[in-house]
This record gives sequence, C-alpha cells and structure tokens, in this order.
Amino acid sequence: AQSVTQLGSHVSVSEGALVLLRCNYSSSVPPYLFWYVQYPNQGLQLLLKYTTGATLVKGINGFEAEFKKSETSFHLTKPSAHMSDAAEYFCAVSDTDKLIFGTGTRLQVFP
Amino acid sequence: DTAVSQTPKYLVTQMGNDKSIKCEQNLGHDTMYWYKQDSKKFLKIMFSYNNKELIINETVPNRFSPKSPDKAHLNLHINSLELGDSAVYFCASSRNTQGSGANVLTFGAGSRLTVL
Repeated sequence: AQSVTQLGSHVSVSEGALVLLRCNYSSSVPPYLFWYVQYPNQGLQLLLKYTTGATLVKGINGFEAEFKKSETSFHLTKPSAHMSDAAEYFCAVSDTDKLIFGTGTRLQVFP
Repeated sequence: DTAVSQTPKYLVTQMGNDKSIKCEQNLGHDTMYWYKQDSKKFLKIMFSYNNKELIINETVPNRFSPKSPDKAHLNLHINSLELGDSAVYFCASSRNTQGSGANVLTFGAGSRLTVL
C-alpha cells in the first residue's frame, strides 16, 4: 500500500530564508505525488503535483518539489519564505482511487 | 462561486444526537469524497462516490451514512454522535474516475463538528 512520511511536524524559518519541507513516499508502483497547503480555518489547496515527466515540478506561490526515485523523496522547497507562507503543508500519494496524506508539517515564518 | 461548498461550517451538539453535513460541488466533477481531520491535523479518507455510486468505504462505523442524491451532492449523516467524532470534516471532489491516480482533489472549507 502507498504511504507518505513527512519528517518534522513543525518547521520554523525566518522571513527570506530557504524553506525545506521533507516528504518520503512508499509505493509499489510509480507514484503520483502531491503537495497541498492548508491555511488556518480553510480547506486544502493544491500547491503542485508530480505525475510523469520532468522530476522538478513548479507550483504556485514560488514553491517547487523534486521527485527523486533513488531516495523515494518529494521534498518541497521555496528559496525565500514570506510571512504569508505560514500554514500547514501536506504531502500526499495517490492510491488508485484516493489520496493518502502525510501527517502534515506546520510552517512558521518569523519576521 | 464557491467550487466545493459545505454546510454548516460549525456544528456543536450533544452526545447521542444525529446530525448531517451537506456538500455540493459546481465543478462538474464525477467523484466526491469525505475526509476526516482529527485534532492532530491527520487527514483520513472516509468515503468516496463516483456518479452516485459508493466506491470507497474506509472501515467507518455504520453510524456514518453518506448519501449522494446526484453527482454534485454528497451529504454525510451521523447517528448517535460520540465524543470521538469531534473533528473537521472535509468534502472534496475530483474530475476523474477510478484508476486515474493523477486526480487533483478540490476541497471545501471544512465543517468543524464538536460533540459535547
């Protein structure tokens, strides 16, 4: 069965610093991978997804993620954090008919 | 226009009561889902429907009964509410049907259920 593991339930960065949120997956088939963001008291929004093709995927708000099969990873990065990036981030893998989510990483951004 | 809308946004009720949460999507999607998010933010799928047909039932107690009158609506009825049912319930929808793993889910804003 597919699964994802997000390392670090909380990540804190200063405004302008690099953001790195880690996600490792387990899948018996080539995975479809996603990152979603949840702002306070809101639903989840898609940041980006990897299906096939280019392993570096660019998403909204300056985020990107790289699919590394050899490391079974799909880490999310952003070169320069903004205060508005503070939110909960979820990595997910598609399991045929549904998405399996990781436990989430709360990103805090300090001025 | 909100793509996936859920009502109510907040629901506070006593143990043992029965309550419903409604969900509607205006995206023309074929598949709808209910996810439960617990106090630790963990998201777990409960049900999915494709064109009014139940596709996924993830070992949810039978006190939970989804109903899909048409493909744009998926309601969730909960009988005999328990303290452990307190959570945020998210409705979502996607365009594609079974086996299409690249589905992108569009989520509603959530319904926060508090059982006292």
